[in-house]
Amino acid sequence: GAVVSQHPSRVICKSGTSVKIECRSLDFQATTMFWYRQFPKQSLMLMATSNEGSKATYEQGVEKDKFLINHASLTLSTLTVTSAHPEDSSFYICSARDRPDTQYFGPGTRLTVL
Amino acid sequence: QKEVEQNSGPLSVPEGAIASLNCTYSDRGSQSFFWYRQYSGKSPELIMFIYSNGDKEDGRFTAQLNKASQYVSLLIRDSQPSDSATYLCAVNGGKLIFGQGTELSVKP
Repeated sequence: GAVVSQHPSRVICKSGTSVKIECRSLDFQATTMFWYRQFPKQSLMLMATSNEGSKATYEQGVEKDKFLINHASLTLSTLTVTSAHPEDSSFYICSARDRPDTQYFGPGTRLTVL
Repeated sequence: QKEVEQNSGPLSVPEGAIASLNCTYSDRGSQSFFWYRQYSGKSPELIMFIYSNGDKEDGRFTAQLNKASQYVSLLIRDSQPSDSATYLCAVNGGKLIFGQGTELSVKP
């Protein structure tokens, strides 16, 4: 299957700082990538859809100025959590689509904001 | 009404038994259906996808789709303790819509 990587796998930061998470498709080109957030014992929540070369589409209730998404190439999308606060602590997972509708997930990034 | 519904479980089966996981969806226009497995603390891993009515088998896994009943299921034969995880059903309605997941526990 297709391989998606994420970096870093774990980050701890102080409140008010910004954190950047990278998502890469390693063996295929992904015109579309997705960013999800998952709180403990809950299902995945789609935050935004990232299309190469264009602005991301955010889901209702997700602040686009807080969660900055850049999809500059066919293999890389980044999510920047700006001015992070403790309530932003969560498991952030990206996915990439290699066929019209099959998504493969990265290993996730666990963010802890102190 | 939720768009994709699964029993949250936990579903407990003995080792070697068949585990049956069920999922219903509301959008009749959905064309593709996916099962992901998620171990605690890890990201989801794609197990199977199915597009057509009927059964699709891959090793110990069988996905079943009935579009008329808006129902998709996953059977795991010869369940192993390593199959213990949360199983997520996802339906493609333009974007993937996930159920809340069913927690499966396989007891040795």
